[in-house]
Amino acid sequence: GNSVTQMEGPVTLSEEAFLTINCTYTATGYPSLFWYVQYPGEGLQLLLKATKADDKGSNKGFEATYRKETTSFHLEKGSVQVSDSAVYFCALSGANNLFFGTGTRLTVIP
Amino acid sequence: GAVVSQHPSWVICKSGTSVKIECRSLDFQATTMFWYRQFPKQSLMLMATSNEGSKATYEQGVEKDKFLINHASLTLSTLTVTSAHPEDSSFYICSANGLAGGSYEQYFGPGTRLTVT
Repeated sequence: GNSVTQMEGPVTLSEEAFLTINCTYTATGYPSLFWYVQYPGEGLQLLLKATKADDKGSNKGFEATYRKETTSFHLEKGSVQVSDSAVYFCALSGANNLFFGTGTRLTVIP
Repeated sequence: GAVVSQHPSWVICKSGTSVKIECRSLDFQATTMFWYRQFPKQSLMLMATSNEGSKATYEQGVEKDKFLINHASLTLSTLTVTSAHPEDSSFYICSANGLAGGSYEQYFGPGTRLTVT
C-alpha cells in the first residue's frame, strides 16, 4: 500500500542554518511526490512537487529530489529564515487522493 | 492559481448542536473534494472523499451519520457535524481536485477551527 514516513521533529534551527527534513515512501506504481507547508493558523499550501524519478522540485529556496532507488524525497534549504517557521508535510499521490506524512514542525530562531 | 475557501474560519458551538462547514472552489470546478481533520499533534486524517452528485466515500472509522457530507454542485461541498461533542473539537480542512498545468492537483482551503463547549 501507499504510505509516507517523515522525521517527526520538532526541528529548531538558527537563522541561516541548513535544513533537511527526511521523507521516505512506499507506493504501488509511480506516484507524484509533494511537499506542503502549513503556516500557523492556516491551511496547507503546495510548496513543491516532483512527478517522476530524478525530478527536482524547487520553490522559495526549498528543493527536493525524487529518488526512486532510495524511495526518498528529502526537503532541503540552504539558509532558513524566521519566516520559514511552519509545519511541513510530505505527501504522495494515490489513485485519487493524497497520502500524508505526520508533518514536521520547524521553528527558526533569529 | 486555484483557490479554495472555507466558511466559517472558526466556530464555537454548544454540545448537542449541529455545525455546517462550507468548502468552495472559487475559480475552478471540482468534481472531487476531500475533507480532512487535523489533530493537535498536527497529523492529517482523511475523513471522506466527496464526489459531486453522489454519496461521499468515508474512510474507515469515520461515522457517516455524524459527519454528513453533501457535494451538491461542482463548486461547493459541505460538512455538517451533527450532535457535536467536545471530542469533535478540531481543525477541519477541505481540499479540491483541480486541473493545473495539465495534471490534477489538490488545492487546500484555509481550514475551520471547531470548538465544542
